[in-house]
Amino acid sequence: EVQLVQSGVEVKKPGESLRISCKGSGYAFTDQWITWVRQMPGKGLEWMGRIDPTDSYTNYSPSFQGHVTISVDKTINTAYLQWSSLKASDTATYYCARLKTVAGPFDFWGQGTLVAVSS
Amino acid sequence: IQMTQSPSSLSTSVGDTVTITCRASQYINIFLNWYQQKPGKAPKLLMYETSNLESGVPARFNGSGSGTDFTLTISSLQPEDCATYYCQQSYSTPSTFGQGTKLEIK
Repeated sequence: EVQLVQSGVEVKKPGESLRISCKGSGYAFTDQWITWVRQMPGKGLEWMGRIDPTDSYTNYSPSFQGHVTISVDKTINTAYLQWSSLKASDTATYYCARLKTVAGPFDFWGQGTLVAVSS
Repeated sequence: IQMTQSPSSLSTSVGDTVTITCRASQYINIFLNWYQQKPGKAPKLLMYETSNLESGVPARFNGSGSGTDFTLTISSLQPEDCATYYCQQSYSTPSTFGQGTKLEIK
């Protein structure tokens, strides 16, 4: 069974750093790209970027380029989303998902990680 | 590429048929996907490349369109179809989603 299991709820202060994780199982992790999607409270879905677990090649949305870093450790089948300096506006639920094909839909999703940033 | 869904919300009854429309601001061929999201849950892929039903999704869901205009039709509505539906283009990066259509079942 394909599963993406994300790390738990995070409560942070503005300016702090954070890394959340997404562990894949039930399939060959390097066969398919991983993507990250943001959902702010009560709002819609926003694509942040994607990574090829084979070689860590990444694409970012211009809206998120420079503010987050997507990475992967293929030895432990885990992808990461990282911030060096959080803002209150980063408060959201973040989902990882698997790409069915490189340019395709997101066929399996993690359960989401809620990140709350407040002073 | 901007994706515009309509309506933003609708209220309907069990057994009805509903159609949700998604329009792309430029040509996206058939690279249009649909997701269902229930409150507090992750989105779920329903349909990909316009009209391909994802495994395990009931045949009551049907997708059509090409180019810039697409529709998701749900027939014989069931109580469990109460959710928010999003379209997404995967034709080019950055991938973009519609704003969502909230479906309420009376």
